[in-house]
Amino acid sequence: GEDVEQSLFLSVREGDSSVINCTYTDSSSTYLYWYKQEPGAGLQLLTYIFSNMDMKQDQRLTVLLNKKDKHLSLRIADTQTGDSAIYFCAESIGGGSQGNLIFGKGTKLSVKP
Amino acid sequence: DTGVSQDPRHKITKRGQNVTFRCDPISEHNRLYWYRQTLGQGPEFLTYFQNEAQLEKSRLLSDRFSAERPKGSFSTLEIQRTEQGDSAMYLCASSLRLAGASNEQFFGPGTRLTVL
Repeated sequence: GEDVEQSLFLSVREGDSSVINCTYTDSSSTYLYWYKQEPGAGLQLLTYIFSNMDMKQDQRLTVLLNKKDKHLSLRIADTQTGDSAIYFCAESIGGGSQGNLIFGKGTKLSVKP
Repeated sequence: DTGVSQDPRHKITKRGQNVTFRCDPISEHNRLYWYRQTLGQGPEFLTYFQNEAQLEKSRLLSDRFSAERPKGSFSTLEIQRTEQGDSAMYLCASSLRLAGASNEQFFGPGTRLTVL
């Protein structure tokens, strides 16, 4: 079945880069997404990448996709304390036609001043 | 432009009671999704609508759960005869589904249900 895996914790110092990794299983996924969740809040869409791309950059965020290995990463440059949150990787199922997302368990990012 | 809203934000109920949650999507979004999130987990898909049609239901959606989107705008999720295992955050999301487009889903703040 479909599955998305992420490491559970990441700790970095303010100003450093953070790299959050994710592996997925559905080779027909057309879009892959990164969401951010702060305590007690809903999910905020950060960015997404189409499966025929291998990189997408959006300000401090860089997404890398290795479709062969089904590996996705999110790099946050110049990490700030306000970036502390849980980050979820998600894949769309069924080639995008269905649209429901399969999420990983989330990576908790802690940023130390 | 307002985002996705959900009501109530918190609900505490006793086991066996029925509860109903409401979701108002971003206007003109044709798709609406319900997810459930328990502590330490990512959201799990429950069901989704395209306009007023309920197109898919997860096996997680037992017979005690029912969702509606009668006019293709807001949606309700009802849980009958609640159980303690139903305690979770219920998240609603909406998207504008167009052929070939990315179908980004935008989430509401969630309704936290506690069943005593």
